[in-house]
Amino acid sequence: DTVLTQSPALAVSPGERVTISCRASESVSTLMHWYQQKPGQQPTLLIYLASNLESGVPARFSGSGSGTDFTLTIDPVEADDTATYYCQQSWNDPRTFGGGTKLELK
Amino acid sequence: QVQLKESGPGLVQPSQTLSLTCTVSGFSLTSYSVHWVRQHSGKSLEWMGRMWSDGDTSYNSAFTSRLSISRDTSKSQVFLKMNSLQTEDTGTYYCARNHWIAAGVMDAWGQGASVTVSS
Repeated sequence: DTVLTQSPALAVSPGERVTISCRASESVSTLMHWYQQKPGQQPTLLIYLASNLESGVPARFSGSGSGTDFTLTIDPVEADDTATYYCQQSWNDPRTFGGGTKLELK
Repeated sequence: QVQLKESGPGLVQPSQTLSLTCTVSGFSLTSYSVHWVRQHSGKSLEWMGRMWSDGDTSYNSAFTSRLSISRDTSKSQVFLKMNSLQTEDTGTYYCARNHWIAAGVMDAWGQGASVTVSS
């Protein structure tokens, strides 16, 4: 299985720029996607195919990367962005998710 | 408006079978695939399998021997059945629609069904 590794947690102040990273154990081309999950809620899709903004998602969110290294950027961060962010690959089966990065606002 | 809603028993006894239903609206099961994803409390997400739009299925090998996914297109429902449940199967089970462009991406999720495996 393709293992996706994320840093467990980050803390930033509102208005700052934050980057959340995801590293894959093998190349997944650009078949990487990002989700946001707020406490007690289901995940929602933010970015698909590494850099495509899902409809309805604020332009503060952006994604980049290819191969094994990917980044989700939020600029500027707002208080409502407090959540856990997951990367997910669709290069192969089984689809796998990263462990999640919990974003906290200072 | 695209919606998915999971339903099923909140409590299942060990060694018994879990049966969940995902009822969808706003799209057709013959046009979109539907995934099942599990989440242990406070933990990450685990892809279980999918029902393809053509009726075929794919499973995570971690579940293959005890997982079955089926559907009733006339009722817009997708079903998950998993047998030989153990306490480690406790968690929240989500169904999610596949993205209209990108295979393997989940663009709409149900609110989740919480399942506890306990005697």
